Amino acid sequence: AQSVTQPDIHITVSEGASLELRCNYSYGATPYLFWYVQSPGQGLQLLLKYFSGDTLVQGIKGFEAEFKRSQSSFNLRKPSVHWSDAAEYFCAVGPNSGYALNFGKGTSLLVTP
Amino acid sequence: DAGVIQSPRHEVTEMGQEVTLRCKPISGHNSLFWYRQTMMRGLELLIYFNNNVPIDDSGMPEDRFSAKMPNASFSTLKIQPSEPRDSAVYFCASSFSGGASYEQYFGPGTRLTVT
Repeated sequence: AQSVTQPDIHITVSEGASLELRCNYSYGATPYLFWYVQSPGQGLQLLLKYFSGDTLVQGIKGFEAEFKRSQSSFNLRKPSVHWSDAAEYFCAVGPNSGYALNFGKGTSLLVTP
Repeated sequence: DAGVIQSPRHEVTEMGQEVTLRCKPISGHNSLFWYRQTMMRGLELLIYFNNNVPIDDSGMPEDRFSAKMPNASFSTLKIQPSEPRDSAVYFCASSFSGGASYEQYFGPGTRLTVT
């Protein structure tokens, strides 16, 4: 069955420190992978996506993610975190049941001064 | 582009009342998704449409929930009768499902409170 696991429910980092959010997936074919961010009271915004090609993808707001097929992972990274990055981050994989995506349960990021 | 539009943004209603949530997808998108988000259950897919046809409604909680998409630019999610446990944020998302594109674009959500 297709699934997405985000092992970390909460992560706290200091402003200026590097960040890595983990995402593991289970998928029977070549997956389409996504990272979304949700700020408080807002909808989900697409950060980046991977379909094929270069396994290191760049997104908005200085984020990047690396697809590692051997590890079934698609971890999100940022070299230097800003206070405005505090939000909920969701990993998603698809397609599922046609055109739907499977979303992970999210990782809540807290940024301390 | 105006993005996905949802209305109302907030809805407070009493138990037993009918609630209708509305969504206008991004022009040109042919798939539309309804999600529910709660602290306990996270983000749940309720139903999705492709070319105005319901494809998967297995996430709809029960018969009190119904969704329609009468045309490519409008969808509704109705709860009748509403119950306190329906309190959640309901998101609509749309995508262009064709070729190699599956990313979904989310609306701002409707926060529903049932008292």
